[in-house]
This record gives sequence, structure tokens and C-alpha cells, in this order.
Amino acid sequence: NAGVTQTPKFRVLKTGQSMTLLCAQDMNHEYMYWYRQDPGMGLRLIHYSVGEGTTAKGEVPDGYNVSRLKKQNFLLGLESAAPSQTSVYFCASKLLWDRRNTEAFFGQGTRLTVV
Amino acid sequence: GDSVTQMEGPVTLSEEAFLTINCTYTATGYPSLFWYVQYPGEGLQLLLKATKADDKGSNKGFEATYRKETTSFHLEKGSVQVSDSAVYFCALSDLEAAGNKLTFGGGTRVLVKP
Repeated sequence: NAGVTQTPKFRVLKTGQSMTLLCAQDMNHEYMYWYRQDPGMGLRLIHYSVGEGTTAKGEVPDGYNVSRLKKQNFLLGLESAAPSQTSVYFCASKLLWDRRNTEAFFGQGTRLTVV
Repeated sequence: GDSVTQMEGPVTLSEEAFLTINCTYTATGYPSLFWYVQYPGEGLQLLLKATKADDKGSNKGFEATYRKETTSFHLEKGSVQVSDSAVYFCALSDLEAAGNKLTFGGGTRVLVKP
């Protein structure tokens, strides 16, 4: 069972460079999310998607873009990386059905350092 | 908006000690409540959940009760082990919020010493 898979697991970028983080889930979940984790701040939502072809802004969307062209994939892009985007990024997915009971499943995380 | 407040760590305990991590929340709707755990170098995994008032979630010796009157969901374990060393996150899922997204507390690092 692969669950939620994130690639890459680690990356170092120079300021101004761009990159794309890939999240893939094999559970046929409708909802997908991108969070960033910073010390003492818990996880903050960047963007989310409620289905293929749809995306929406979360709590901290500036400097990021996303796309969900296929139901199983959710891409997070940084067009021009900044040191403030140094963080650990987590992708999560969730079923639409029975929203009160369903849990979110998380990937292993991507540790990004912008120098 | 929705928010979750949990006690700051780190919390350092000896093996077999009692653990409690406080969590309170504010929500516009009637949320489901969760505790997630993050072991070193790993992603988050669900520890337990409660979906309505007075429900008790339990797993691996951990328990938490959904207290709507005090808007709390405190995590407890009667006798911790070294393997319980991790970061614990309290979270809520507000069904009335777009995307049914999770709102997290800041996390509490727990270190259990032998």
C-alpha cells in the first residue's frame, strides 16, 4: 500500500530558482492538501483541492501555485524560491464521503532548504 | 475562524510516567477532533479521533474525550514508553469549512527517557 507519496524527499534550492513538488495518492481520494510545517507553528495550509481540475487557496498561499490535472496527483510549484520558503512540506489526502469520520492521510514530507 | 491551541513543549518524562497534553479549540461549526503523531523523520499519522461530543477516542493506550462544553480534547496516557517520544498534534476538521480541511495546533514534542 503506497498511500500518499511525495517526491522529492529533500531539496536544496538557491534563491530565485523554481521547483515542483509532486504528491501522488492511490486511494482514490477526492480531497488533497499541501501544508507547510515550521517550528512552533504546527502545519499551515497552503493550497487544497476538492477534486480533479479544482484548486483553492489556504492560509498561506503566497509564493506557491498548484495544479490538479489528474485525480491522483497534486503538484505544488515554487516559481521563485525565497529563504522564507525553507520548510518541511506535507501533502495529505482525504475521502469526500462521510466527511465527519474520515481521516487525512499524509505523505512522508519534503524537506526544502532555500539558500 | 477555526483555531487550535495546545500546550507548548518540550515535555520530558520518565518511562511509566503519566502524560497529558492539553488541547482547546474554537470552531464556527461542529467539528471532528483528531490527535496526530509524528515520529522522528516521518509524516503524520492518525493516533485517535472523536467525531461528536462526549465521544472518547483511544489507541495504543492513549485516550482523549471530546468536551464540547469546555471546547477541549486533552490527550492522556497512563504509562508512557520510550517509543512514545514524538511530536503530537491536535487538530480539528470543521465540516462547514470549504474543503473540509484540517486546522492544527502548534504541536507538542514529547521526550520519554528510560
